Amino acid sequence: QVQLVQSGAEVKKPGASVKISCKASGYSFTTYYMHWVRQAPGQGLEWMGIINPIGGATTYAQKFQGRVTMTSDTSTSTVYMELNSLRSDDTAVYYCARRSPHDYWGQGTLVTVSS
Amino acid sequence: DIVLAQSPGTLSLSPGERATLSCRASLTVASNYVAWYQQKPGQVPRLLIYGASSRATGIPDRFSGSGSGTDFTLTISRLEPEDFAVYFCQQYGSSRWTFGQGTKVEVK
Repeated sequence: QVQLVQSGAEVKKPGASVKISCKASGYSFTTYYMHWVRQAPGQGLEWMGIINPIGGATTYAQKFQGRVTMTSDTSTSTVYMELNSLRSDDTAVYYCARRSPHDYWGQGTLVTVSS
Repeated sequence: DIVLAQSPGTLSLSPGERATLSCRASLTVASNYVAWYQQKPGQVPRLLIYGASSRATGIPDRFSGSGSGTDFTLTISRLEPEDFAVYFCQQYGSSRWTFGQGTKVEVK
């Protein structure tokens, strides 16, 4: 069965960086693009970007351009999302989601940014 | 980027009633690439509808999607207790995907 398993919760200080992993299993990793979506507490869903697991080509939402980096490791079927210069309003649950439309989601990773 | 506006923000209905949720795009969505997701508290979003009107695997037929261009609708024909949740639309017809802000369907 398809599974996307994300790394655990993180607590970071403002200005720091966070890198979250998403390990895929149960399907051919290189077949589908992967997306990252975040959700601030009590808020809606926000699309962050997409990565092609073959070659690593990315497209980011304009809001995150220059601050986010998405990478892929085909040897471990894992994608990563790194967000830099963290602010308090980056506190959110971060999800990886397979393909478009998003048929499978990771369990989410809570990132808390607090001094 | 295409902005999606969902209405109403909250829909208060009773079980058995019909729910009609709207999603309006700021620009035409190419190929009617609109999806709808359901999210319950503490849970991951679940794909309900894609391509504006196709039900995802395992989704009951009381859920239906319609619309084209800039106006899209999710209809729940008869609300079941498990349908009370937040619903998000998403467009994936442009180079950058976007979500609507969500509609909460609550028990009246």
